[in-house]
Amino acid sequence: GQNIDQPTEMTATEGAIVQINCTYQTSGFNGLFWYQQHAGEAPTFLSYNVLDGLEEKGRFSSFLSRSKGYSYLLLKELQMKDSASYLCAVSDRDYKLSFGAGTTVTVRA
Amino acid sequence: DAMVIQNPRYQVTQFGKPVTLSCSQTLNHNVMYWYQQKSSQAPKLLFHYYDKDFNNEADTPDNFQSRRPNTSFCFLDIRSPGLGDAAMYLCATSISSGPYNEQFFGPGTRLTVL
Repeated sequence: GQNIDQPTEMTATEGAIVQINCTYQTSGFNGLFWYQQHAGEAPTFLSYNVLDGLEEKGRFSSFLSRSKGYSYLLLKELQMKDSASYLCAVSDRDYKLSFGAGTTVTVRA
Repeated sequence: DAMVIQNPRYQVTQFGKPVTLSCSQTLNHNVMYWYQQKSSQAPKLLFHYYDKDFNNEADTPDNFQSRRPNTSFCFLDIRSPGLGDAAMYLCATSISSGPYNEQFFGPGTRLTVL
């Protein structure tokens, strides 16, 4: 089976940086996605990593180490609107996504 | 704007009463997915279509079925909903099932079973 682990909750202050870790064990690997999901809404795509290293996109960056089965999502200059759940999802050998349970990030003023 | 649309956004049904959830897309994507997401849990893939080719997950209950009459529409049928089927149901699409298969999600249908 697939196993995707990420912390349940994180809290940070507006303007700060937060790093959300994700570890995975899956049957095959064809890339790792990060999605943002606000309460009661659909997940929206943030990033995709398939090679080792850091991908930067504005205030959000995502890192991947395939040998360690590890990724993180880095949120910089946190804003109140970043309060949401962040889902780590791995594309397996059949290109199907297995999701983690999500990390709820709360941004405080 | 191209998008994934789900109707209704909220659906209430009674225990054992069949219910159908619908999804449509204007993206002209080949692949359509149905996920079940319970509170504070990961979205769980129920099945997906690659064009008309239906793919059922091994642990999807027989109570759940799907239809895709054309490229744009996909339906989720729950034949006899139980209390445990109350959840958010997410429809998603992707261009293909290959690498970098970013999935685009609809807003979801929240199902309540009374």
